Amino acid sequence: GIQVEQSPPDLILQEGANSTLRCNFSDSVNNLQWFHQNPWGQLINLFYIPSGTKQNGRLSATTVATERYSLLYISSSQTTDSGVYFCAAFTQGGSEKLVFGKGTKLTVNP
Amino acid sequence: EPEVTQTPSHQVTQMGQEVILRCVPISNHLYFYWYRQILGQKVEFLVSFYNNEISEKSEIFDDQFSVERPDGSNFTLKIRSTKLEDSAMYFCASRKSTGANVLTFGAGSRLTVL
Repeated sequence: GIQVEQSPPDLILQEGANSTLRCNFSDSVNNLQWFHQNPWGQLINLFYIPSGTKQNGRLSATTVATERYSLLYISSSQTTDSGVYFCAAFTQGGSEKLVFGKGTKLTVNP
Repeated sequence: EPEVTQTPSHQVTQMGQEVILRCVPISNHLYFYWYRQILGQKVEFLVSFYNNEISEKSEIFDDQFSVERPDGSNFTLKIRSTKLEDSAMYFCASRKSTGANVLTFGAGSRLTVL
């Protein structure tokens, strides 16, 4: 099945810094989603982005489907951005489910 | 915005007991999923459900687990004879049958087995 790899596994930033999280996937996908898992364990959907670029406030995401990767940009980070960021790829054709990466744990210090 | 609702938010049970986790998917969604996340680990697929039957299940989803859609709104995960290693966060998700393959997740049910 599809493999989803995220990097870096851990990231520590000072408040105000920018960061880029990467997600590589091993096969073509019909969907890619980015999630933020908050301290209460909830999965908050950030982006649905099978290709192209989207922006939502300080966050933006880009997926280059032909090269099988996606990037999540966080600008002017805040302490509330802390948590684990997951990307998940949706495969189709025999196995229709989201497959998650192991996540990037982001810590933003004041 | 439509939500996937899960109950209970947290359940503590004794080893060997049966647990039922409940989910109310978004009303016009037709595909339903259960995922599991052991503390500190990644989110793992358990099972998908469509047209009143399991469409796919993972190796984790053995005979200890079962799913059911008892009525038009609820989707349940039953765990029989719970073990310590079943302690995890369980997420329910749903999606439409057509269009964007976007899964919407519930807030999760945290299961603690003592």
